[in-house]
Amino acid sequence: GQNIDQPTEMTATEGAIVQINCTYQTSGFNGLFWYQQHAGEAPTFLSYNVLDGLEEKGRFSSFLSRSKGYSYLLLKELQMKDSASYLCAVRERNTGGFKTIFGAGTRLFVKA
Amino acid sequence: DTGVSQNPRHKITKRGQNVTFRCDPISEHNRLYWYRQTLGQGPEFLTYFQNEAQLEKSRLLSDRFSAERPKGSFSTLEIQRTEQGDSAMYLCASSPLLGRNSETQYFGPGTRLLVL
Repeated sequence: GQNIDQPTEMTATEGAIVQINCTYQTSGFNGLFWYQQHAGEAPTFLSYNVLDGLEEKGRFSSFLSRSKGYSYLLLKELQMKDSASYLCAVRERNTGGFKTIFGAGTRLFVKA
Repeated sequence: DTGVSQNPRHKITKRGQNVTFRCDPISEHNRLYWYRQTLGQGPEFLTYFQNEAQLEKSRLLSDRFSAERPKGSFSTLEIQRTEQGDSAMYLCASSPLLGRNSETQYFGPGTRLLVL
């Protein structure tokens, strides 16, 4: 079966760095995604990892270790607008196609 | 390109009624997904289309739920005999089949359903 775990909430200070961890158990792994979701809005894509290592994109970086079933999202130079839920999602490849399983999300609160 | 659109944005219905939601994906996106999201949870996968073919359907989806994408463009999600537990945000997403953005799902604004 599929299982994705990430912390429920985190709090960090404006200008700081925060790391949001995600562990997963799945079959047919075909990539890991991070999405940002502000309250009342739809998720927006942040990053995609399919190979081990670090992907950097501006203030956001995402890391993947497939052997450990582990990923993290690193947010640097935090801004107040970064307060949102961060969703870890794993894509599985099945006989019928692809299915993306989302974690419950980590609510990040950025304080001044 | 106006992105993924969904209609209606809000729907209030009485228990037992049928409801239908529409999703218009980004033009030329072959893949279309439906999700359901409740407060404090991540999106829950419901079903996936590649063009007009429904390739994947969650086992969580009861027989009351059906989705179509008859011409490989827009899609509809119908819920029959709604129950209060169906109250949720229904999200649609699309992605291209090929190209550098093929891994990215672009989400619509969602349809918020309230079953009284």
